[in-house]
Amino acid sequence: NAGVTQTPKFQVLKTGQSMTLQCAQDMNHNSMYWYRQDPGMGLRLIYYSASEGTTDKGEVPNGYNVSRLNKREFSLRLESAAPSQTSVYFCASSALGQGGLEQYFGPGTRLTVT
Amino acid sequence: QQPVQSPQAVILREGEDAVINCSSSKALYSVHWYRQKHGEAPVFLMILLKGGEQKGHEKISASFNEKKQQSSLYLTASQLSYSGTYFCGTGTGGGNKLTFGTGTQLKVEL
Repeated sequence: NAGVTQTPKFQVLKTGQSMTLQCAQDMNHNSMYWYRQDPGMGLRLIYYSASEGTTDKGEVPNGYNVSRLNKREFSLRLESAAPSQTSVYFCASSALGQGGLEQYFGPGTRLTVT
Repeated sequence: QQPVQSPQAVILREGEDAVINCSSSKALYSVHWYRQKHGEAPVFLMILLKGGEQKGHEKISASFNEKKQQSSLYLTASQLSYSGTYFCGTGTGGGNKLTFGTGTQLKVEL
């Protein structure tokens, strides 16, 4: 039982390049999330998917797109990377429950945009 | 708007107690607490729901004051393993979406 996995672990991009961050969970969770973490800012929600087939914007969606490929997988795409997108990206998943249930986080992807 | 956590940082000697506060400008339905060690992913500690009771987990417990839109995390008889950054995540509806605070850095020393 791997929990939440993310690939890649590290990535360096040049400004304007594109890439997709992959996330998969094997806990049969309905909900999945993408966060970014910057020093002093905590975790900020980029996009989330309450259940398969649905996605919605979080606090900081500009410059990102997501795809909920199936129940297990939720990917985050940067179409044209900018230095402001240098951050640590965490994917998380949770069961669907009233008031929310605990979120399980992946190990993170450290992205640098030069 | 992110909930406000206080203090921003605290240093304890092993065995001392600490309180971390989380305050929101919005009416809250739920408060989650997570701990993150350096270079690692956040790990779930506990959830408090509107109308629910105070929660406890070993020597870590939390309370939720719905009227004040605040939650507090209590760490008693701190251990070295308690070191890390603590985040509260607040939910304003019945769904799963959370807004996280900026974190409280806790360091426990011998």
